[in-house]
Amino acid sequence: QVQLQESGPGLVKPSQTLSLTCTVSGGSITSGSYYWSWIRQPAGKGLEWIGRIYISGGTNYNPALTSRVTISVDTSKNQFSLKLSSVTAADTAVYYCASWDFYDGRYPPLWGQGTLVTVSS
Amino acid sequence: DIQMTQSPSTLSASVGDRVSITCRASQSISTWLAWYQQKPGKAPKVLIYQASSLESGVPSRFSGSGSGTEFTLTISSLQPDDFATYYCQQYNSYSAFGQGTKVEIK
Repeated sequence: QVQLQESGPGLVKPSQTLSLTCTVSGGSITSGSYYWSWIRQPAGKGLEWIGRIYISGGTNYNPALTSRVTISVDTSKNQFSLKLSSVTAADTAVYYCASWDFYDGRYPPLWGQGTLVTVSS
Repeated sequence: DIQMTQSPSTLSASVGDRVSITCRASQSISTWLAWYQQKPGKAPKVLIYQASSLESGVPSRFSGSGSGTEFTLTISSLQPDDFATYYCQQYNSYSAFGQGTKVEIK
């Protein structure tokens, strides 16, 4: 059974770059037709889609964040990663990695458990 | 960008009630819609995907319907464990979430 797990620093200083990794276990990141995505949720607020990557193509980002976001994939490690630059306190949130099928929707979306990132000096 | 409008934002109901939550997309998303349940401190849990497919292990009192731009999540008989916040998500064009619906005890 495929599982996703986020990892990375829980504390980032303002103006620095937030870096997180999502490790895919129980299956290959290159198999199937999946988008691999990042989503975040500030405390007490709703869910915000950050962006996605797919193995056979490129990346797409939320227009509100596109100038600061980079998502990449490392197929040799079965991982994909998020970098968010020039962070402020407004970027403090729980960050989730997720994946969903884009071919025929036969399979349900899959989410990691989330990791809290706090932006503070 | 496709915007998702979810209503109501809060819903007060009693155990045993039938409740419905609506999600509207700003343009057609076919059936590329999922519904989630979220409890405090936990990751969202998939209830419904592809608008009407019930995720494995989810009780049958949950159902989803709709296509195009209008979708509904229905809980046929509200149980104590169902008091939570619910979100819709479109994953047809990029992705976007509804604002959430908090289901509270009346």
